[in-house]
Amino acid sequence: GAVVSQHPSRVICKSGTSVKIECRSLDFQATTMFWYRQFPKQSLMLMATSNEGSKATYEQGVEKDKFLINHASLTLSTLTVTSAHPEDSSFYICSARDRENYNEQFFGPGTRLTVL
Amino acid sequence: QKEVEQDPGPLSVPEGAIVSLNCTYSNSAFQYFMWYRQYSRKGPELLMYTYSSGNKEDGRFTAQVDKSSKYISLFIRDSQPSDSATYLCAMSDTGGGADGLTFGKGTHLIIQP
Repeated sequence: GAVVSQHPSRVICKSGTSVKIECRSLDFQATTMFWYRQFPKQSLMLMATSNEGSKATYEQGVEKDKFLINHASLTLSTLTVTSAHPEDSSFYICSARDRENYNEQFFGPGTRLTVL
Repeated sequence: QKEVEQDPGPLSVPEGAIVSLNCTYSNSAFQYFMWYRQYSRKGPELLMYTYSSGNKEDGRFTAQVDKSSKYISLFIRDSQPSDSATYLCAMSDTGGGADGLTFGKGTHLIIQP
């Protein structure tokens, strides 16, 4: 149980385009989902916290107009990178908090974004 | 000073050895401490979850937290080649699932057969 999926696993796009990444909790309901970014040899850095049915909360330094987050249901959150640039190339990982198991976050497999 | 410091390694040990992984932190508000294992190009997998100071054991893994020193450790006994991965420490000042986590950089561990 407690499986989180992400789609796509890898995406390559041209500079200036937008990319949507999906995060799904497959066998549990997630009232809260988190989006992290991980650059090579760096920590996972929290970008934003997304609660079902409400606006996402962004960490300091993360542009909310560039990284659009939608948490439309208890099993799905999406991250859209708008007008992507090469410096946005990174590994994006989501995690989900089980509504029944408050203290644990389950992580997705990640999405590798490369912007040319 | 970064909030969480973790030696990135690589740390290479022979199979069967006891492995010691450590993190230090500066935020005294952290109360929940976690260790995750991450294989290349995969998401992190939770190994251990502890609250406040003390020890916790699960199979070959033991987690220790010393809040007075702001120092946490993960010990792996009877290490196996399949334990080769990056180990990330993570912390939170609220329940680990309530807020986003603060991670260390991760230590790349190599277990030599």
